[in-house]
Amino acid sequence: DVKVTQSSRYLVKRTGEKVFLECVQDMDHENMFWYRQDPGLGLRLIYFSYDVKMKEKGDIPEGYSVSREKKERFSLILESASTNQTSMYLCASSPPGGFFNQPQHFGDGTRLSIL
Amino acid sequence: AQKITQTQPGMFVQEKEAVTLDCTYDTSDQSYGLFWYKQPSSGEMIFLIYQGSYDEQNATEGRYSLNFQKARKSANLVISASQLGDSAMYFCAMREPISSNTGKLIFGQGTTLQVKP
Repeated sequence: DVKVTQSSRYLVKRTGEKVFLECVQDMDHENMFWYRQDPGLGLRLIYFSYDVKMKEKGDIPEGYSVSREKKERFSLILESASTNQTSMYLCASSPPGGFFNQPQHFGDGTRLSIL
Repeated sequence: AQKITQTQPGMFVQEKEAVTLDCTYDTSDQSYGLFWYKQPSSGEMIFLIYQGSYDEQNATEGRYSLNFQKARKSANLVISASQLGDSAMYFCAMREPISSNTGKLIFGQGTTLQVKP
């Protein structure tokens, strides 16, 4: 069965801290994604990666960076956490875009609070 | 630019009844894909059903079916015989055109469904 694992379900950090959210998938997927979910706004794409060491900005990349050193792992980094980054963060993976009807598979999400 | 709109922030349905969750989309592309996901209160996103723009038949998966009206650019999710476990948030999403090869999804705002016993 497909599995996307996010390192934490709940995380509390302080303003100004550097925060790492980790995501691991076991499906050998090329594509990996980081989303942010806020009430009334749905899911918004922060960054995605289509190969190791390759990354592209999504719709709301400001204040975030990512790292993909290995195919199975995609990390989201909050360089200097701020209270407006309190949110639910979801990681997903999928086969290459050519597999058009294949869904993205999601992790369980990380509820991040910045105090 | 592509856009997904879910106009129902919240809905109620009686157990065992059918319910329709609305989704409209905007795209200028001919080739696209539409997905529905369920998100229970625990947070995980569960894939429910897929509809391709060239699929001639409406997609069905068990109690889930998709009422796809291409001319109206709508892809409504129909849940038959609602169960208490169907209480969740539901998201409609559109895949970027196949030509982009990124597999990116654009999500609607979501609809919260509550099933009453």
